[in-house]
Amino acid sequence: AQTVTQSQPEMSVQEAETVTLSCTYDTSESDYYLFWYKQPPSRQMILVIRQEAYKQQNATENRFSVNFQKAAKSFSLKISDSQLGDAAMYFCAYRSGGGGADGLTFGKGTHLIIQP
Amino acid sequence: KAGVTQTPRYLIKTRGQQVTLSCSPISGHRSVSWYQQTPGQGLQFLFEYFSETQRNKGNFPGRFSGRQFSNSRSEMNVSTLELGDSALYLCASSTRTGEEGTLHFGNGTRLTVT
Repeated sequence: AQTVTQSQPEMSVQEAETVTLSCTYDTSESDYYLFWYKQPPSRQMILVIRQEAYKQQNATENRFSVNFQKAAKSFSLKISDSQLGDAAMYFCAYRSGGGGADGLTFGKGTHLIIQP
Repeated sequence: KAGVTQTPRYLIKTRGQQVTLSCSPISGHRSVSWYQQTPGQGLQFLFEYFSETQRNKGNFPGRFSGRQFSNSRSEMNVSTLELGDSALYLCASSTRTGEEGTLHFGNGTRLTVT
């Protein structure tokens, strides 16, 4: 079974600064997807960024980028120019390729605090 | 395009009762999956439906069941409720083609069992 580990229960960053959230995973599969989801107090899980394992290029979405190290099984999220609206729980998630019948496997989450 | 809709948003039930939660996926999405979120266990996969068929089920007792209708709407049922079933239940939908693997979540149903 796959596991996802987020070693930082809570992170704090000053507004406009950059913060990196860590995620490691364990799998024996070669075809899979990795995700970062954001969950604000409204409860809805919002997709931040997604990475296909077969793509070497790191995914980027505006201020959000990832550092995907496949050999090290590491998938960190970098948030640049942090904004107050970025405050939320961030979850790293793994899904098998080829249909992902086992659903998403989530880490325990990192609570991101943005200091004004 | 409307997002994933879950109803109700809040539920309070008593131990031993049963409950049904509803989920309407994004239009055109044929896959619906359910997750349980608790402070202790985090987010855990319950089951996934595609074209009215359960594709897989997570490690939950048989008291947890679900179904999907021909319009892709899904319901989840929990029978003989226990205090430990108190959780946020999240539903997610996906297309399973193109954006393979990307789930779009609803706002969840907060179930409290007393």
